[in-house]
Amino acid sequence: ELKVEQNPLFLSMQEGKNYTIYCNYSTTSDRLYWYRQDPGKSLESLFVLLSNGAVKQEGRLMASLDTKARLSTLHITAAVHDLSATYFCAVDIRNRDDKIIFGKGTRLHILP
Amino acid sequence: KAGVTQTPRYLIKTRGQQVTLSCSPISGHRSVSWYQQTPGQGLQFLFEYFSETQRNKGNFPGRFSGRQFSNSRSEMNVSTLELGDSALYLCASSLNQGGDTQYFGPGTRLTVL
Repeated sequence: ELKVEQNPLFLSMQEGKNYTIYCNYSTTSDRLYWYRQDPGKSLESLFVLLSNGAVKQEGRLMASLDTKARLSTLHITAAVHDLSATYFCAVDIRNRDDKIIFGKGTRLHILP
Repeated sequence: KAGVTQTPRYLIKTRGQQVTLSCSPISGHRSVSWYQQTPGQGLQFLFEYFSETQRNKGNFPGRFSGRQFSNSRSEMNVSTLELGDSALYLCASSLNQGGDTQYFGPGTRLTVL
């Protein structure tokens, strides 16, 4: 069964700290996406990772992809309250199985 | 540039009815994808359209269908509504299919009574 597992599912952290969200998946794929969702809102695309070793950064967020380990990470540097949201990873295997599989999401709460 | 728009924003239907949701992509975007979000199942991929053709369809029953018009606008239809179809339906557009960045609309909140 195809699985995309995020951990942790909930994270409460202090402003100024660093932390990493992990996204493990159980099938081969070289396409992985990260999204942000604020409460009651739609999704916002954060990163598109399209190859092994891909690393992308935007502000305090950095995402990476290791297709051999079937692992992606979303690293938060010096967290600020505005980053509080739910973060989803999604694995794209549309090219062979008509699917994009989402993780359950990581609810991030950053304390001021 | 105007963003992705979805109509209606909120909808209440009863079991057995059918519903049509509409999505207008960002101008110039040719790919439109649909997703369902529920508290129980989370986010699920419904289908993707590109150049008026359905390119991919997720694991949903045939009651869920869609189409894309020549101006890239898309509609999705759900027939014979069930209580479990209550969800937030999200539409996203991108320039091309595949790994392009997707831009999401605000969603349509469907409640089935």
